[in-house]
Amino acid sequence: GESVGLHLPTLSVQEGDNSIINCAYSNSASDYFIWYKQESGKGPQFIIDIRSNMDKRQGQRVTVLLNKTVKHLSLQIAATQPGDSAVYFCAETAGAGSYQLTFGKGTKLSVIP
Amino acid sequence: NAGVTQTPEFQVLKTGQSMTLQCAQDMNHEYMSWYRQDPGMGLRLIHYSVGAGITDQGEVPNGYNVSRSTTEDFPLRLLSAAPSQTSVYFCASSYSGGEQPQHFGDGTRLSIL
Repeated sequence: GESVGLHLPTLSVQEGDNSIINCAYSNSASDYFIWYKQESGKGPQFIIDIRSNMDKRQGQRVTVLLNKTVKHLSLQIAATQPGDSAVYFCAETAGAGSYQLTFGKGTKLSVIP
Repeated sequence: NAGVTQTPEFQVLKTGQSMTLQCAQDMNHEYMSWYRQDPGMGLRLIHYSVGAGITDQGEVPNGYNVSRSTTEDFPLRLLSAAPSQTSVYFCASSYSGGEQPQHFGDGTRLSIL
Protein backbone atom coordinates (compact mmCIF):
# COMPACT_ATOMS: atom_id res chain seq x y z
CA GLY A 1 0.00 0.00 0.00
CA GLU A 2 0.99 3.63 -0.20
CA SER A 3 3.00 4.93 2.71
CA VAL A 4 5.20 7.65 4.05
CA GLY A 5 8.82 6.81 4.79
CA LEU A 6 12.10 8.38 5.77
CA HIS A 7 15.50 8.16 4.08
CA LEU A 8 17.58 8.23 7.29
CA PRO A 9 16.68 6.57 10.58
CA THR A 10 19.30 8.51 12.63
CA LEU A 11 21.00 11.86 12.25
CA SER A 12 23.76 13.35 14.42
CA VAL A 13 24.61 17.04 14.12
CA GLN A 14 26.86 19.45 15.94
CA GLU A 15 25.19 22.11 18.05
CA GLY A 16 24.79 25.27 16.01
CA ASP A 17 24.78 23.48 12.66
CA ASN A 18 21.71 23.20 10.44
CA SER A 19 19.79 19.91 10.33
CA ILE A 20 17.92 18.47 7.38
CA ILE A 21 15.49 15.59 7.85
CA ASN A 22 14.05 14.00 4.72
CA CYS A 23 10.84 12.17 3.98
CA ALA A 24 9.51 10.43 0.87
CA TYR A 25 5.84 9.85 0.25
CA SER A 26 4.17 7.68 -2.37
CA ASN A 27 0.55 8.84 -2.45
CA SER A 28 0.32 11.41 -5.24
CA ALA A 29 -3.16 12.38 -3.97
CA SER A 30 -1.82 13.55 -0.59
CA ASP A 31 -2.48 17.22 -0.10
CA TYR A 32 -1.48 18.00 3.47
CA PHE A 33 1.76 17.25 5.28
CA ILE A 34 2.85 17.70 8.88
CA TRP A 35 6.11 17.41 10.79
CA TYR A 36 5.97 16.25 14.41
CA LYS A 37 8.66 16.15 17.10
CA GLN A 38 8.52 13.45 19.75
CA GLU A 39 10.65 13.60 22.88
CA SER A 40 11.20 10.54 25.03
CA GLY A 41 8.11 9.62 27.05
CA LYS A 42 5.96 12.28 25.37
CA GLY A 43 3.39 12.43 22.63
CA PRO A 44 4.15 13.86 19.18
CA GLN A 45 4.29 17.65 19.17
CA PHE A 46 3.22 19.64 16.11
CA ILE A 47 6.08 21.58 14.49
CA ILE A 48 4.93 22.82 11.11
CA ASP A 49 2.57 21.89 8.29
CA ILE A 50 2.31 22.56 4.58
CA ARG A 51 -0.41 22.18 2.00
CA SER A 52 0.18 20.82 -1.48
CA ASN A 53 -0.38 24.20 -3.11
CA MET A 54 2.83 25.45 -1.47
CA ASP A 55 6.47 24.39 -1.90
CA LYS A 56 7.96 26.11 1.13
CA ARG A 57 6.83 27.27 4.53
CA GLN A 58 8.86 28.83 7.32
CA GLY A 59 8.40 28.87 11.07
CA GLN A 60 10.63 29.79 13.94
CA ARG A 61 14.01 28.18 13.08
CA VAL A 62 12.24 25.56 10.96
CA THR A 63 11.48 25.37 7.26
CA VAL A 64 9.51 22.71 5.42
CA LEU A 65 10.10 22.13 1.73
CA LEU A 66 7.72 20.16 -0.48
CA ASN A 67 8.70 18.81 -3.89
CA LYS A 68 5.61 17.28 -5.42
CA THR A 69 7.42 16.26 -8.60
CA VAL A 70 9.55 13.72 -6.74
CA LYS A 71 7.19 13.33 -3.78
CA HIS A 72 9.71 14.51 -1.25
CA LEU A 73 9.36 16.48 1.96
CA SER A 74 12.11 17.90 4.13
CA LEU A 75 12.41 19.64 7.47
CA GLN A 76 15.25 22.08 7.97
CA ILE A 77 16.20 23.17 11.48
CA ALA A 78 18.47 26.19 11.69
CA ALA A 79 21.14 26.52 14.40
CA THR A 80 20.31 23.16 15.95
CA GLN A 81 20.19 23.16 19.73
CA PRO A 82 20.42 20.31 22.30
CA GLY A 83 16.69 20.74 22.93
CA ASP A 84 16.06 19.73 19.33
CA SER A 85 17.20 16.17 20.10
CA ALA A 86 14.14 13.99 19.50
CA VAL A 87 12.48 11.73 16.97
CA TYR A 88 10.92 13.56 14.04
CA PHE A 89 7.99 12.19 12.06
CA CYS A 90 6.51 13.30 8.80
CA ALA A 91 2.85 12.57 8.21
CA GLU A 92 0.37 13.01 5.37
CA THR A 93 -3.32 12.88 4.81
CA ALA A 94 -4.52 10.15 2.49
CA GLY A 95 -6.08 12.68 0.14
CA ALA A 96 -8.54 15.53 -0.12
CA GLY A 97 -11.29 15.20 2.48
CA SER A 98 -9.55 12.33 4.26
CA TYR A 99 -9.33 12.33 8.04
CA GLN A 100 -6.66 9.67 8.21
CA LEU A 101 -3.12 10.77 8.91
CA THR A 102 -0.39 8.34 7.80
CA PHE A 103 2.93 8.55 9.66
CA GLY A 104 6.44 7.65 8.60
CA LYS A 105 8.64 5.59 10.87
CA GLY A 106 10.64 8.53 12.25
CA THR A 107 14.18 9.91 12.27
CA LYS A 108 16.12 10.27 15.49
CA LEU A 109 18.02 13.55 15.68
CA SER A 110 20.93 13.71 18.15
CA VAL A 111 22.59 17.04 18.79
CA ILE A 112 26.22 16.92 19.87
CA PRO A 113 27.07 19.75 22.32
CA ASN B 1 -6.52 24.43 28.66
CA ALA B 2 -5.15 21.02 29.61
CA GLY B 3 -5.16 19.91 25.96
CA VAL B 4 -5.45 16.14 25.44
CA THR B 5 -5.40 14.12 28.66
CA GLN B 6 -4.86 10.35 28.68
CA THR B 7 -5.26 7.97 31.61
CA PRO B 8 -3.77 5.78 32.87
CA GLU B 9 -0.13 6.56 32.07
CA PHE B 10 0.96 2.95 32.56
CA GLN B 11 -0.97 -0.33 32.72
CA VAL B 12 -0.12 -4.02 32.92
CA LEU B 13 -2.76 -6.57 31.98
CA LYS B 14 -2.98 -10.32 31.77
CA THR B 15 -3.98 -11.98 28.52
CA GLY B 16 -7.76 -12.07 28.20
CA GLN B 17 -8.46 -9.13 30.50
CA SER B 18 -10.40 -6.13 29.26
CA MET B 19 -9.84 -2.50 29.98
CA THR B 20 -10.65 1.02 28.83
CA LEU B 21 -8.09 3.67 27.99
CA GLN B 22 -9.44 7.13 28.66
CA CYS B 23 -8.96 10.22 26.50
CA ALA B 24 -10.39 13.68 27.09
CA GLN B 25 -9.83 17.03 25.39
CA ASP B 26 -10.97 20.48 26.46
CA MET B 27 -10.39 22.32 23.18
CA ASN B 28 -13.88 21.67 21.73
CA HIS B 29 -12.30 19.67 18.92
CA GLU B 30 -14.66 17.70 16.70
CA TYR B 31 -12.12 15.17 15.47
CA MET B 32 -10.49 12.62 17.78
CA SER B 33 -8.41 9.56 17.04
CA TRP B 34 -6.45 6.71 18.60
CA TYR B 35 -3.04 5.50 17.44
CA ARG B 36 -0.69 2.81 18.58
CA GLN B 37 3.06 3.22 18.39
CA ASP B 38 5.32 0.20 18.12
CA PRO B 39 9.12 0.19 17.72
CA GLY B 40 10.05 0.59 14.07
CA MET B 41 6.41 0.91 12.98
CA GLY B 42 5.64 4.58 13.54
CA LEU B 43 2.10 5.52 14.58
CA ARG B 44 -0.81 3.56 13.17
CA LEU B 45 -4.42 4.67 13.29
CA ILE B 46 -6.79 2.41 15.23
CA HIS B 47 -10.13 4.27 15.25
CA TYR B 48 -11.26 7.82 14.76
CA SER B 49 -14.31 10.01 15.26
CA VAL B 50 -15.41 13.09 13.34
CA GLY B 51 -17.92 14.12 16.00
CA ALA B 52 -20.12 12.91 18.84
CA GLY B 53 -21.98 9.76 17.87
CA ILE B 54 -19.76 9.04 14.84
CA THR B 55 -16.84 6.61 14.79
CA ASP B 56 -14.92 4.79 12.07
CA GLN B 57 -12.12 2.28 11.70
CA GLY B 58 -8.53 3.12 10.93
CA GLU B 59 -5.68 0.92 9.76
CA VAL B 60 -5.55 -1.52 12.71
CA PRO B 61 -9.01 -1.69 14.38
CA ASN B 62 -9.20 -5.40 15.29
CA GLY B 63 -9.45 -6.07 19.02
CA TYR B 64 -10.49 -2.51 19.89
CA ASN B 65 -13.81 -0.72 20.32
CA VAL B 66 -14.57 2.97 20.62
CA SER B 67 -17.54 5.19 21.30
CA ARG B 68 -18.06 8.96 21.25
CA SER B 69 -20.98 9.96 23.42
CA THR B 70 -19.63 13.48 24.07
CA THR B 71 -17.38 15.90 22.19
CA GLU B 72 -14.83 15.80 25.01
CA ASP B 73 -14.31 12.07 25.55
CA PHE B 74 -13.16 9.24 23.29
CA PRO B 75 -12.43 6.03 25.23
CA LEU B 76 -10.68 3.04 23.67
CA ARG B 77 -11.70 -0.41 24.87
CA LEU B 78 -9.63 -3.56 24.64
CA LEU B 79 -12.10 -6.40 24.59
CA SER B 80 -9.78 -9.34 25.40
CA ALA B 81 -6.16 -8.25 25.74
CA ALA B 82 -3.50 -10.12 23.75
CA PRO B 83 0.31 -9.82 23.96
CA SER B 84 0.28 -8.34 20.43
CA GLN B 85 -1.52 -5.33 21.87
CA THR B 86 1.47 -4.41 24.00
CA SER B 87 2.21 -0.91 22.75
CA VAL B 88 2.09 2.78 23.50
CA TYR B 89 -1.31 4.26 22.76
CA PHE B 90 -1.81 7.87 21.79
CA CYS B 91 -5.00 9.86 21.57
CA ALA B 92 -5.17 12.94 19.36
CA SER B 93 -7.67 15.64 18.51
CA SER B 94 -8.05 18.45 16.01
CA TYR B 95 -10.60 21.10 15.22
CA SER B 96 -11.94 19.42 12.09
CA GLY B 97 -9.61 16.63 10.98
CA GLY B 98 -8.50 16.78 7.38
CA GLU B 99 -6.11 19.69 6.90
CA GLN B 100 -5.71 20.56 10.56
CA PRO B 101 -2.79 19.54 12.80
CA GLN B 102 -3.68 16.95 15.38
CA HIS B 103 -2.74 17.52 19.03
CA PHE B 104 -1.56 14.48 20.96
CA GLY B 105 -1.73 13.35 24.56
CA ASP B 106 1.33 11.89 26.28
CA GLY B 107 0.24 8.29 25.81
CA THR B 108 -0.66 5.17 27.76
CA ARG B 109 2.06 2.53 28.01
CA LEU B 110 0.31 -0.83 27.98
CA SER B 111 1.91 -4.23 28.60
CA ILE B 112 0.01 -7.48 28.14
CA LEU B 113 1.50 -10.51 29.89
